[in-house]
Amino acid sequence: AQKVTQAQTEISVVEKEDVTLDCVYETRDTTYYLFWYKQPPSGELVFLIRRNSFDEQNEISGRYSWNFQKSTSSFNFTITASQVVDSAVYFCALSEAGMETSGSRLTFGEGTQLTVNP
Amino acid sequence: GAGVSQSPRYKVAKRGQDVALRCDPISGHVSLFWYQQALGQGPEFLTYFQNEAQLDKSGLPSDRFFAERPEGSVSTLKIQRTQQEDSAVYLCATREGWETQYFGPGTRLLVL
Repeated sequence: AQKVTQAQTEISVVEKEDVTLDCVYETRDTTYYLFWYKQPPSGELVFLIRRNSFDEQNEISGRYSWNFQKSTSSFNFTITASQVVDSAVYFCALSEAGMETSGSRLTFGEGTQLTVNP
Repeated sequence: GAGVSQSPRYKVAKRGQDVALRCDPISGHVSLFWYQQALGQGPEFLTYFQNEAQLDKSGLPSDRFFAERPEGSVSTLKIQRTQQEDSAVYLCATREGWETQYFGPGTRLLVL
């Protein structure tokens, strides 16, 4: 069975601070995908990034960066110089690769509510 | 292009009523998923379609929940005899191949 754990329920920072959101996952599969989604107050889940299990390179996109470490089963997300508009719930998710019958459903963590104060 | 759309955005139902929630996928997206998101929790898988075939319905919580996608495009999630525990946001996601799922805005269902 797959499981995703986001231990931080809520994080509050002041604008311009850096913040890291933690994600730990469990899976028996050797091939899988990891995702981060952002859910602003409007409710829509916005895709941020997808990584496959064979690619452990860290990735940077503007103020966002992701650290994938298979050895610790973690896929952490860092926002540099946070802004008020970053306030949202952030979800980490996991899917198996190429499962025909399940369609590679997403297993989500409980989410981390990030509040960035001005 | 247009994203995934869902309607209605909000639905209030009296306990025992039937409801129907609609999902319009991104054009050309073969795979379609329904998820249920309770307040303060992450989304949980309900069911999966590949074109018109429902390949996995293992996440549907009871036989009061039914989903269909008859022409492989628009999908409807139907809940019969709604109960208060059905109150949640129902999210639809679609995917072109085997890559990223893109989500709609969700339907917020409140059962009184």
